[in-house]
Amino acid sequence: KAGVTQTPRYLIKTRGQQVTLSCSPISGHRSVSWYQQTPGQGLQFLFEYFSETQRNKGNFPGRFSGRQFSNSRSEMNVSTLELGDSALYLCASSLTVQGGQYFGPGTRLTVT
Amino acid sequence: GENVEQHPSTLSVQEGDSAVIKCTYSDSASNYFPWYKQELGKRPQLIIDIRSNVGEKKDQRIAVTLNKTAKHFSLHITETQPEDSAVYFCAAILVYGGSQGNLIFGKGTKLSVKP
Repeated sequence: KAGVTQTPRYLIKTRGQQVTLSCSPISGHRSVSWYQQTPGQGLQFLFEYFSETQRNKGNFPGRFSGRQFSNSRSEMNVSTLELGDSALYLCASSLTVQGGQYFGPGTRLTVT
Repeated sequence: GENVEQHPSTLSVQEGDSAVIKCTYSDSASNYFPWYKQELGKRPQLIIDIRSNVGEKKDQRIAVTLNKTAKHFSLHITETQPEDSAVYFCAAILVYGGSQGNLIFGKGTKLSVKP
């Protein structure tokens, strides 16, 4: 099976802009989670989607949002970008509620 | 909410030695504990996991132990090799009902295996 894919892999934006990142889970996986990874804060949970519904949300401002489509593909959006949003954004998919999460390669976002 | 503490933050061992990384969690209801390995510039990869109804799990050179009473779990790597060098993350999750809880990660341990 193909692994989790994310597009784009790299992105450079300026402050105030918005960005949309895409994640395609492993075929058959219905749960998709998003994480922000930075050197200082490590891996932080953003939100999790299952069957097009957001089930859990981390402690991030409302500028961070997401959605999931009927084919389980997911997007996350960050509006009004700030310098501190520069990070590696990772998505992960899982088959069952008690299964391991498998990560995509990430999208490296740089905000200037 | 759940909080996961991971120690040490860096670990250097000689090739062939064992390495142990320890994590503690705060929510006694957490019931699933995966470990991830992240090599430089690559995605985190699930290497082993353990559920709360099991005390120990092994997979070749790696093993994970869980002490529910003390709320801590550990990763053990034996006969370390240079390719084991990476950042290792522990995580804890409360899985309840039909909904999966958040995966809360430790801050990571940078393991260096010297030839």
